[in-house]
Amino acid sequence: QVQLVESGGGVVQPGRSLRLSCVASGFTFSGYGMHWVRQAPGKGLEWVAVIWYDGSNKYYADSVKGRFTISRDTSKNTLFLQMNSLRAEDTAVYYCAMTHPALVYAFDFWGQGTMVTVSS
Amino acid sequence: NFMLTQPHSVSESPGKTVTISCTRSSGSIASNYVQWYQQRPGSSPTTVIYKDDQRPSGVPDRFSGSFDTSSNSASLTISGLKTEDEADYYCQSYDSSNQVTFGGGTKLTVL
Repeated sequence: QVQLVESGGGVVQPGRSLRLSCVASGFTFSGYGMHWVRQAPGKGLEWVAVIWYDGSNKYYADSVKGRFTISRDTSKNTLFLQMNSLRAEDTAVYYCAMTHPALVYAFDFWGQGTMVTVSS
Repeated sequence: NFMLTQPHSVSESPGKTVTISCTRSSGSIASNYVQWYQQRPGSSPTTVIYKDDQRPSGVPDRFSGSFDTSSNSASLTISGLKTEDEADYYCQSYDSSNQVTFGGGTKLTVL
């Protein structure tokens, strides 16, 4: 069955960096686009970024553009999110999600999330 | 960029029908597909509707989606409410600039 397992979260000071990983299994990773979506404590969902199945296209939310980078390693079935210049408002649970087969801008399956806390 | 506006909360009794709205602030609701996600407390979201009105396998036909261009809104309707339907529901869409937007979420209480 499909599994997405995020890791790399933790507590980090403002201005520092963190890299999140998402290991995929149970499906052909190279055939699907992947997203990162975050959820601040007690708040709603916020889309962060998407990467095409072949890595050819990447798009970001305005709130993270220029600071975050999405990438993937097909050989390791792993999705990454490099987060630089972190701010307090980046504090959230970060989910990776695979795109729906019928629509790249729909989410088919989500991981369990990893918590990122930005605090001094 | 556009916004999607949902009611903060709705409540209804078991066995009844509830409809959650999702209004797009700019651009036509018909221009881009709308999806709906269910998130139970402490869990990750799951898809209940994609491409406006399509149900993933395993989602009961009590869940249905639609949109109305006159109000520029999409709707999620849940009939025959069960206590297990109690959750937060989010609508989601996108635009031609490859930006994805979620609604603020609606807390459904089944009492």
